[in-house]
Amino acid sequence: DTEVTQTPKHLVMGMTNKKSLKCEQHMGHRAMYWYKQKAKKPPELMFVYSYEKLSINESVPSRFSPECPNSSLLNLHLHALQPEDSALYLCASSQEPLSAPSYEQYFGPGTRLTVT
Amino acid sequence: AQKVTQAQTEISVVEKEDVTLDCVYETRDTTYYLFWYKQPPSGELVFLIRRNSFDEQNEISGRYSWNFQKSTSSFNFTITASQVVDSAVYFCALGATGANNLFFGTGTRLTVIP
Repeated sequence: DTEVTQTPKHLVMGMTNKKSLKCEQHMGHRAMYWYKQKAKKPPELMFVYSYEKLSINESVPSRFSPECPNSSLLNLHLHALQPEDSALYLCASSQEPLSAPSYEQYFGPGTRLTVT
Repeated sequence: AQKVTQAQTEISVVEKEDVTLDCVYETRDTTYYLFWYKQPPSGELVFLIRRNSFDEQNEISGRYSWNFQKSTSSFNFTITASQVVDSAVYFCALGATGANNLFFGTGTRLTVIP
């Protein structure tokens, strides 16, 4: 089973709202990732969790707050977002972290976020 | 510096035609890894293949084949007898030992016309 699940599939939120994106994998992977993807662009790495600890934050604004409650779950808490944050947010996991890049990442279907 | 170039922004082919997607990479690392991902309209990136820098053997999987040539820093992807379900954006990506990121190309949008 190489499935990564994400909820919700679509999300519309106002700039004053607080919402969360959820990601889950049951492959025993020890690294999990959040990516942001704008239309017609490749995914951009936001955060990496390695063994449930935040290992990489690619200078992401504090209005995005990641959380890894356990090895299978990854959340992305959203607060006071801007319209330019509208994008597809992808979660991924890999057997080992990016420091051992031989391991392929498996992606979820994404959450399409619209900020109004 | 790591870089991946996919010069073909969009390609259209008629069903059953063969099509090759180009990928050229740049890295100073001697050990690195190359990947191809498929992103259908649904949005999910689907892992297709990983190739290690020390293994130049080409690979075939059904209608898909990959040609890795270190001499030209290329990792091209060929779909034989294309089908409408092959319509998607295809990303080539590079990972290097110790790097903190997967470097994605800008993607090639493939449209297969029935």
